[in-house]
Amino acid sequence: QQPVQSPQAVILREGEDAVINCSSSKALYSVHWYRQKHGEAPVFLMILLKGGEQKGHDKISASFNEKKQQSSLYLTASQLSYSGTYFCGTEIDKTSYDKVIFGPGTSLSVIP
Amino acid sequence: DTGVSQNPRHKITKRGQNVTFRCDPISEHNRLYWYRQTLGQGPEFLTYFQNEAQLEKSRLLSDRFSAERPKGSFSTLEIQRTEQGDSAMYLCASSLRQRGYGYTFGSGTRLTVV
Repeated sequence: QQPVQSPQAVILREGEDAVINCSSSKALYSVHWYRQKHGEAPVFLMILLKGGEQKGHDKISASFNEKKQQSSLYLTASQLSYSGTYFCGTEIDKTSYDKVIFGPGTSLSVIP
Repeated sequence: DTGVSQNPRHKITKRGQNVTFRCDPISEHNRLYWYRQTLGQGPEFLTYFQNEAQLEKSRLLSDRFSAERPKGSFSTLEIQRTEQGDSAMYLCASSLRQRGYGYTFGSGTRLTVV
């Protein structure tokens, strides 16, 4: 039931782009994305709902393909502040709102 | 709005002792979640509440774990007869039961069982 994330880790130079993928074996109601810096709590970035939408948040955007049960997080022109671990979280397609199950995370390091 | 507050921040306990953690969610949030996180892993779901009702408890959770949310406000998570494997960061999150709403996490309680 836990979603799968790829890659496990990525190192970028400032200004480079990255894509983080999240996939599930089950039909999804929504996909959440969070970033966690070392020693801190996860911080909500965005949520994508069933309907195949795409969202943007500054230079961070995401897409959700409900037919493939996949979501991707796009980080463009990366900044040092983007470093951290990114988690996707999935809610199973149900008639009522459910809890989020988190993936194992993708460690992103941005270097000067 | 002061965010989600968790106490204590750190707890060191001897194996076999009982511990209790507290979470104060954002006041207007009706959903409250407990997760456990170990190093290098994503948060693992433990249990969640809508108002004072406990809607689900993870099947992986031992009977030594219990949670309450009296009057639908703050919540407590108790671990009885702690084991070394219980050492982890315990995260609380709150949210609105509303389409498109994300979770706000607290800073967590780090438990070390010696």
